[in-house]
Amino acid sequence: QQQVKQSPQSLIVQKGGISIINCAYENTAFDYFPWYQQFPGKGPALLIAIRPDVSEKKEGRFTISFNKSAKQFSLHIMDSQPGDSATYFCAAVGGSNYKLTFGKGTLLTVNP
Amino acid sequence: KAGVTQTPRYLIKTRGQQVTLSCSPISGHRSVSWYQQTPGQGLQFLFEYFSETQRNKGNFPGRFSGRQFSNSRSEMNVSTLELGDSALYLCASSKGPGGDTEAFFGQGTRLTVV
Repeated sequence: QQQVKQSPQSLIVQKGGISIINCAYENTAFDYFPWYQQFPGKGPALLIAIRPDVSEKKEGRFTISFNKSAKQFSLHIMDSQPGDSATYFCAAVGGSNYKLTFGKGTLLTVNP
Repeated sequence: KAGVTQTPRYLIKTRGQQVTLSCSPISGHRSVSWYQQTPGQGLQFLFEYFSETQRNKGNFPGRFSGRQFSNSRSEMNVSTLELGDSALYLCASSKGPGGDTEAFFGQGTRLTVV
C-alpha cells in the first residue's frame, strides 16, 4: 500500500522556469511533511518541511503548498537552476509508526 | 561537524551469505534509522533505534536485523542474502526519536548480491 503518491516521475524544466512536484497522502494521522533532495551518489538531504497547521512555507526559491482537506502537498521551485537537477522525494510522518514514509521520487532535470 | 558515516561504501556478496553494515551518527544524535533504496520500491523504512532500543520496524523479513550500541553507532545485518536484497542502504541520524526531527542521511552502502 503506497501511502504517499508522488508525481510526476520525471520532470524537465528550462533554466529560470518553475518546477512543480505533487504529492498526495492517505493517512490523516500524518502531521509532518518534509521534502528531500538527493544528488547521485549522495544520501537524501532535507530541503524544506511543513506541518498541517500552515498552508504554505517558503524558503528562498523553494515553497511548499499544503492542502489539508485534499490531503495534498506540493513543492514549487522558482527560477529553477541547472544545479537543482536532482531527485526530489516527498515524505510524511505521523500515526502509530513514527517513521518517514517516502514518495517514489521525481527526477528533475533543469536544462541550461 | 562530521556527518553520518556509513561503511563500507560498496559491497559485493554472494547469495546465501550474510552482511553487516555500519553507521556512525552525527555526534550527539541518539536516534538512528535505516532505509533501503531501490529503483523499483524507492526508499523503504527498515527500522529505527533510539538509546539502544528498537522503536519501530518496517515490513521486512526477519533476515534483516539491527542493533545500536551505547555510543549510538548502529549496525544492520542481513542474513541469507537474496538477489533482491541488492540496494542502497541508507542510515539517517537525528537528535531524538521519531521522523519529525530533522534526519541527516549518510551516503549509503551500495550492496550488490550476485
